[in-house]
Amino acid sequence: EIVLTQSPGTLSLSPGERATLSCRASQSVSSSFLAWYQQKPGQAPRLLIYATSNRATGIPDRFSGSGSGTDFTLTISRLEPEDFAVYYCQQYGSSPPYTFGQGTKLEIK
Amino acid sequence: QVQLQQSGPGLVKPSQTLSLTCVISGDSVSSNSVAWNWIRQSPSRGLEWLGRTYYRSKWYNDYAVSVKSRLTFNPDTSKNQFSLQLKSVTPDDAAVYYCARHYGAAFDIWGQGTMVTVSS
Repeated sequence: EIVLTQSPGTLSLSPGERATLSCRASQSVSSSFLAWYQQKPGQAPRLLIYATSNRATGIPDRFSGSGSGTDFTLTISRLEPEDFAVYYCQQYGSSPPYTFGQGTKLEIK
Repeated sequence: QVQLQQSGPGLVKPSQTLSLTCVISGDSVSSNSVAWNWIRQSPSRGLEWLGRTYYRSKWYNDYAVSVKSRLTFNPDTSKNQFSLQLKSVTPDDAAVYYCARHYGAAFDIWGQGTMVTVSS
């Protein structure tokens, strides 16, 4: 099973700042199969980024993804108030076919 | 647009069977380009994929090892929905359960979630 480890666990920043979230895999992950989600309290996760760097429909261009192999990054260029939430990475590959990271909570400083 | 609407009880007694249904609108349960999944979320386990059902000339089901012996999926083409049945539940099965569509490389559509409590 591929384990995804996200860091930091909590990130405290102010609106307008840049956020960098990390996702590290225990084995190499195809860049075609690494995704990022945003989850707000009481809501289902929402797809932000698929295939490492492709924004899902309706996602603002301040969100970007990058990486390869075992190291992937989600960057939010200028934080808006609505961006404070929990973010998860997820891989699609070996059995089990899908695993998620434990999440990074982005909180207002 | 594609939407998933979940239904099912929020309270299940220990040792009983949890049954949840996910009704699909805007897509087909028998589409040959997507997979229909169940995922749960709890403080102890985080987001945990439980399994998927999908159609590729015939029906396939894949289950997570942790629940494989207790889990069954049933796609229903007449109602355009799919369901989950988890037998012999314990308090460890308490979680928010989501249905989700996997299309391409990610889960792009999610149901609203059902909070399940296991208690007598």
